[in-house]
Amino acid sequence: GAGVSQSPSNKVTEKGKDVELRCDPISGHTALYWYRQRLGQGLEFLIYFQGNSAPDKSGLPSDRFSAERTGESVSTLTIQRTQQEDSAVYLCASSTGQGSVLSGELFFGEGSRLTVL
Amino acid sequence: AQSVTQLGSHVSVSEGALVLLRCNYSSSVPPYLFWYVQYPNQGLQLLLKYTTGATLVKGINGFEAEFKKSETSFHLTKPSAHMSDAAEYFCAASFMNSGYSTLTFGKGTMLLVSP
Repeated sequence: GAGVSQSPSNKVTEKGKDVELRCDPISGHTALYWYRQRLGQGLEFLIYFQGNSAPDKSGLPSDRFSAERTGESVSTLTIQRTQQEDSAVYLCASSTGQGSVLSGELFFGEGSRLTVL
Repeated sequence: AQSVTQLGSHVSVSEGALVLLRCNYSSSVPPYLFWYVQYPNQGLQLLLKYTTGATLVKGINGFEAEFKKSETSFHLTKPSAHMSDAAEYFCAASFMNSGYSTLTFGKGTMLLVSP
């Protein structure tokens, strides 16, 4: 499809397991963002990619969280040794990211809902 | 610190009534401003944005917002609510940070529309 695609749409895991969440951005979009949306809260910024480099990792909550991106394509968010507080919807968005200023809009995927038991 | 504040986690209106969702930002330099809407079980989609130029911007589904620099506000309005407007609305601002920008979101306002 032409939009941002995320998988899996739903993931239930046991505490202590590792999970991988995948994001396929819109073709040609150089900027890619991961956000976390916990129940009753707003969107929490996690990490930003420009191409395959991540100039801003400041939002990653702990060293259990990591992300990578292959070129200007797929990104994977990995959570190691999951905890119950990691339960949330993880949203990916992409943008044309013109220059160094975000003047375009973000296009969001439908999210990956993670439940840690 | 740069931030976005949405006043009211829930707003209830009757169908046909005015919708007003409030958003304020905190920044020494006016950012680009956005409103996104999230319908149940769907991703966020852009309603409207302010970058430069006219301070009153119109978006989809009859929504509009006005940028007021003196009040550091970007409130979202719609003259007449429709049942289909029930959703969660997020205000966002694009702040510059070390030569690049990211979107900072408010906590969201759930709009409830009653018949």
